[in-house]
Amino acid sequence: GIQVEQSPPDLILQEGANSTLRCNFSDSVNNLQWFHQNPWGQLINLFYIPSGTKQNGRLSATTVATERYSLLYISSSQTTDSGVYFCAVIQGAQKLVFGQGTRLTINP
Amino acid sequence: NAGVTQTPKFQVLKTGQSMTLQCAQDMNHEYMSWYRQDPGMGLRLIHYSVGAGITDQGEVPNGYNVSRSTTEDFPLRLLLAAPSQTSVYFCASSPSGTETQYFGPGTRLLVL
Repeated sequence: GIQVEQSPPDLILQEGANSTLRCNFSDSVNNLQWFHQNPWGQLINLFYIPSGTKQNGRLSATTVATERYSLLYISSSQTTDSGVYFCAVIQGAQKLVFGQGTRLTINP
Repeated sequence: NAGVTQTPKFQVLKTGQSMTLQCAQDMNHEYMSWYRQDPGMGLRLIHYSVGAGITDQGEVPNGYNVSRSTTEDFPLRLLLAAPSQTSVYFCASSPSGTETQYFGPGTRLLVL
């Protein structure tokens, strides 16, 4: 099946810093989503982005489907950005496959 | 809209007991699914449904049963709970399987 790899596994930054999270996938996909899992365990939709670039406030995402990767950018980080960021893809048969996540810690 | 709701929030079971995790959505979504999340890992698909009366297995279906009698509800049943089923369970829904999926708040299950 399709493999989804995220990097880095852990990232520790000071408040105000910028960060880039990467998601590589091993085959073509129909759907790619980015999620933020906050410290209370809630999964929050960030982007649905099978291709192209989208922006939402301090967050933006780019997916280059032909090269099988997606990037999530977080600018001017805040402590509330802490948590785990997951990339998930669907290939064909409607099954969402998650990466292992990037744990982001923003220190004040 | 309440979105995707799950009950209970937390449950403790003894090995061999059975229980049903409830999931409901009020967005008239056709696609619903169940995932489990183990410590330090991403979510893994247990079962999914593309509409009422239709279910299929995901990556880790053993030990779990599902049914889909209505569009709104998609319960997950554990018939003989085992410690290996200790996990956090998430339900999700989507207009179709390839569109944005929306997740419920999760159920934490501890099997002793």
